[in-house]
Formats: sequence, C-alpha cells, structure tokens
Amino acid sequence: DTGVSQNPRHKITKRGQNVTFRCDPISEHNRLYWYRQTLGQGPEFLTYFQNEAQLEKSRLLSDRFSAERPKGSFSTLEIQRTEQGDSAMYLCASSFSQGRVRTDTQYFGPGTRLTVL
Amino acid sequence: DAKTTQPNSMESNEEEPVHLPCNHSTISGTDYIHWYRQLPSQGPEYVIHGLTSNVNNRMASLAIAEDRKSSTLILHRATLRDAAVYYCILRSGTYKYIFGTGTRLKVLA
Repeated sequence: DTGVSQNPRHKITKRGQNVTFRCDPISEHNRLYWYRQTLGQGPEFLTYFQNEAQLEKSRLLSDRFSAERPKGSFSTLEIQRTEQGDSAMYLCASSFSQGRVRTDTQYFGPGTRLTVL
Repeated sequence: DAKTTQPNSMESNEEEPVHLPCNHSTISGTDYIHWYRQLPSQGPEYVIHGLTSNVNNRMASLAIAEDRKSSTLILHRATLRDAAVYYCILRSGTYKYIFGTGTRLKVLA
C-alpha cells in the first residue's frame, strides 16, 4: 500500500494524559498536513510542513499541541494534558508540491480517532 | 479564502446521474475549484478540480459556470459506493484546504 498511513487508528485515553499520533506520508511527498475533524463537520486545518520545516500553524493548535517532521519523512502529532474537547478524528495528508498552490492535490490518510474520557 | 455553499444533503437512485451543486459567488479569478469526497470512516479523497473549463476524469465531471460563481460535480451513474460527503473547496494562495460541511449524498438501491 503506497497511500498515507496513520497509527494508531483509534486511541482512547483519560483526561490529562499525553498522546502521540504518527503519520507516514506517500513516499517523496514534500508537504505534510494535519487536520482535525469533529462529528458532522468538515476537516479543520491544524498545521503543515514542507520537508522538515513547519510553515504554518492554525490558531486551533494550542500550546498543548506539537507537531514534528524530523527528517522530512514521517510526522508526529502530540497532545499534552488531553481534554475532552480534544476528542476528534485527526487526519494527515501529504502532497508533492512544485510550487503551484492552486493545483496542489492532497492525499489523506484514514485518520486517528481520539476519544478522551 | 472564498467561501462555498452546498446543500446539506441529497438523494439519488442507484445507476442514475447525480448533480451536486456548489455556489462560490466570491471566487477570485485565480481560485481553482476542487472537489473531495469522504466515505464513512475514511479520510477525504480527491475527486476532481478545475479553473474555468469543464473537466472530466474517471470518477466524475466538473461543470463550471461561465461566470465561475457556481459549479456542479456530476456523477454519471451513482452506485452505492458513491454514498459519501462531498466537499467543494476553493484553492487560492494558501496550501491549506478550508472545508465546509459538504453535501451528504445518499444513494438508494
């Protein structure tokens, strides 16, 4: 399978615990994105990387959230001191961008569903 | 980014064509129109995109109004596997997608 993969697919945690999600993008894709989706809503942008550089962060990404892409390949999203409001589907996407923003096509993974009890 | 407006839900019979509308009256001249769909329990999936001319691919067709203030995604023969939420997105000068709530398509057997 050469698509975007995410692990774990499901995570249940207690409020106050830390969680970390992993995303493996399509090989050779230079851009990687994180989105969050709550029930009945479309995905909301969180952050994106070009290679290993984090270029944009949404205001949704509070200081409890941190994302990394250490070698420009896989990425991790960590949430510290989880709250019940963090319960959502966390989606990762990747793309190969040659600088043409408007035609950039993002390929999404299946997501990690987080439930905070 | 310019905003899009889509109906919350639509129904179609299996093997019939489906026309999914999208209004984007504030679109700028350089915005591309992208369509994605999200099947249950999956991430969004790219369907098609266009700028001014109508576009066809193996999944669907995209018809863009002459003034570009609206567009229509056309599924030529709906199948049960096409039941999904369809998102119309305008791409301007930013790499992030801004999703609305989309149209939930129900396909009836």
